[in-house]
Amino acid sequence: KAGVTQTPRYLIKTRGQQVTLSCSPISGHRSVSWYQQTPGQGLQFLFEYFSETQRNKGNFPGRFSGRQFSNSRSEMNVSTLELGDSALYLCASSQRGGGPLYEQYFGPGTRLTVT
Amino acid sequence: GENVEQHPSTLSVQEGDSAVIKCTYSDSASNYFPWYKQELGKGPQLIIDIRSNVGEKKDQRIAVTLNKTAKHFSLHITETQPEDSAVYFCAASSGTASKLTFGTGTRLQVTL
Repeated sequence: KAGVTQTPRYLIKTRGQQVTLSCSPISGHRSVSWYQQTPGQGLQFLFEYFSETQRNKGNFPGRFSGRQFSNSRSEMNVSTLELGDSALYLCASSQRGGGPLYEQYFGPGTRLTVT
Repeated sequence: GENVEQHPSTLSVQEGDSAVIKCTYSDSASNYFPWYKQELGKGPQLIIDIRSNVGEKKDQRIAVTLNKTAKHFSLHITETQPEDSAVYFCAASSGTASKLTFGTGTRLQVTL
């Protein structure tokens, strides 16, 4: 079974621009969560989507948004990019959600650099 | 909210020795504790997890222990090998939420 795939793997953008990242979960998985990883803040939860609905949200500004499609694929969007948005963005998929019932599996991430 | 502390931040062991990484959590409602291994240029890989109704779980050379009273859990790797070198993260979540709160990571280096 194929793992979680994320595209693109690397991205360079300029301050003020916007960016869209894509995540395809493991086949049969309906929950997709997004995390931001930086050297200073570590791994931080952005949001989770299940059945095309945002079910959980972390403490990030409204510039960070996402959506999920009927085939469970998810995209996240960051508008008005800031230098501090440079990070590895990770997508994790699970069958129905998280907690003790359903493990989460991560993709390889998208490395975003904002200049 | 939940806070997870992880120690040590770096750990160097000789091949064949054991390695132990410890985490503490703050939210007594946390009931799921996974451990992830992240190699350079890759995403975190789930290596073992434990539920709050279990005190210990083993998978070959890897074991995790959980002390709910003290709110801490630990990862034990025995007979370490060079391929165990990576950054290890502990995490916690509560209820059925997908949100994982991660520790700050431990860079493990296994030397020959």
